[in-house]
Amino acid sequence: AQRVTQPEKLLSVFKGAPVELKCNYSYSGSPELFWYVQYSRQRLQLLLRHISRESIKGFTADLNKGETSFHLKKPFAQEEDSAMYYCALLTYNQGGKLIFGQGTELSVKP
Amino acid sequence: KAGVTQTPRYLIKTRGQQVTLSCSPISGHRSVSWYQQTPGQGLQFLFEYFSETQRNKGNFPGRFSGRQFSNSRSEMNVSTLELGDSALYLCASGSDRTNTEAFFGQGTRLTVV
Repeated sequence: AQRVTQPEKLLSVFKGAPVELKCNYSYSGSPELFWYVQYSRQRLQLLLRHISRESIKGFTADLNKGETSFHLKKPFAQEEDSAMYYCALLTYNQGGKLIFGQGTELSVKP
Repeated sequence: KAGVTQTPRYLIKTRGQQVTLSCSPISGHRSVSWYQQTPGQGLQFLFEYFSETQRNKGNFPGRFSGRQFSNSRSEMNVSTLELGDSALYLCASGSDRTNTEAFFGQGTRLTVV
C-alpha cells in the first residue's frame, strides 16, 4: 500500500533549537518525496524535494530507503519556521498523484 | 506570473444541492489536480487532468467529477452534497507530464449545512 506517515501532529521547540520532523513512507516503487509547507494564511507550497538534494531556508531532508524515511531537519529553528509541514509521496499511474501525510504543526517559541 | 486561482473562495450549500468549483492554473501549465482537505482525513487526492483528459482518479464516489477545458482551466463538480463534503478543496497545477512540482491555489472552502 502507498502511504505516508507523519507521527507527530504538533512539534514545539524553542528558537535556536534543532528541529526534526519525521516522515515515513510505504511504496513498492522508487520513491519521489517532497516536503510542502503552509504558513499561516498562505497557500501550500513546495519546500524541497529529495531528488534535488538542496537546502531551502536551512532545511534539509535525506531519503533513507532502508528505513523508508524522509525526515526534515534544521539545525537552528527560527520563529518564522512556524507552519504546517506536509510530507508527500509522488506516485505514477499515467499521471502524477501526491499522497500526503497528515501533517505536522511546527511551533517555534521565542 | 499569476499563481493558481480558485473561485469562489467560500461557499455555503445545503445538503442535496450540487456545486461547481473552478480552478485556473498557472499560464502554460497543462496539468491540474484536485485535493480535498479535512481535519480528519488530511489531504486526499481527487483527480488529475492533463490536456483535457483525466489521467488519475482517487477513491471518491461518483458524485465527485471534474473536467478540464482547452485553456487548461478546470472545474470540479459535487452533486447531491452531504454534510461530510464540507472541506477545503485545493487545486494544483503542474508544468510537466509527471507533476514533479505542484503549485497550489488558495482553495475553496465549502460548507454544507
